[in-house]
Amino acid sequence: SQQGEEDPQALSIQEGENATMNCSYKTSINNLQWYRQNSGRGLVHLILIRSNEREKHSGRLRVTLDTSKKSSSLLITASRAADTASYFCAPLLTGNQFYFGTGTSLTVIP
Amino acid sequence: GAGVSQSPSNKVTEKGKDVELRCDPISGHTALYWYRQSLGQGLEFLIYFQGNSAPDKSGLPSDRFSAERTGGSVSTLTIQRTQQEDSAVYLCASSPTGHEQYFGPGTRLTVT
Repeated sequence: SQQGEEDPQALSIQEGENATMNCSYKTSINNLQWYRQNSGRGLVHLILIRSNEREKHSGRLRVTLDTSKKSSSLLITASRAADTASYFCAPLLTGNQFYFGTGTSLTVIP
Repeated sequence: GAGVSQSPSNKVTEKGKDVELRCDPISGHTALYWYRQSLGQGLEFLIYFQGNSAPDKSGLPSDRFSAERTGGSVSTLTIQRTQQEDSAVYLCASSPTGHEQYFGPGTRLTVT
C-alpha cells in the first residue's frame, strides 16, 4: 500500500498533556501533510512539510519528517478538549497523488 | 472566496438505482480528488483529476463507479446499480497542484 499509516489508531490523554501521532509511508514523496477531521465530514489541512525539511511548527503543532525512515510525527502541545478529532497524514507522491491512512483518533479529556 | 461545495449533502437511494454526486471545486484549482469514507474508517482514494483528465483511476472500486470533470471545474461521480456496501460519505477535495487539499463537506450516501 502507498498509504500513510498512522500510529496509534487511538489515543486518549488529559487536557494539558502533549499528544504525539506517527505516520509511516513507503515511497518517495514531494511533501507530507497532516489533516484533521471532526465528526466524519470534511478534512481540514493543518500543516505541510516538504521533503527537504526536517521540522516545522505552527502554533501548538510540531511536525517532523525523516525521509530516510519514511516517517513523520505530529505533536500537539498543551492539548485542549477542542483538539478531540481524527488526524490523518497524507504523503504527496509524485504526480499529485495523495494517499490517506486510517487516521489516529485523539480524545482529550477535560 | 467560496470553498469546495458538494451536493446533495445527503442521499438515500434504493439498491439498484443510479446516483450522481456533484463537486464544485474552488475556482482555479487544477487538481480534484474523490474519496470515500465508511463509518469510522479512513479515507479511501477513488480518483484524481488534473484539469479534465484523470491520471489515476486506480481507486475506483468497480466498473459501476465512474467520474468526469468538465471545463476543469465541476466534477460528477456516478455510481450505477448501487449496492448497500456503497453506503459511505463521499468527499471531494481540490487543490492547486502540489499543495494542500481543500475538502468539501461530503455527501452522505445511504443505500437501502
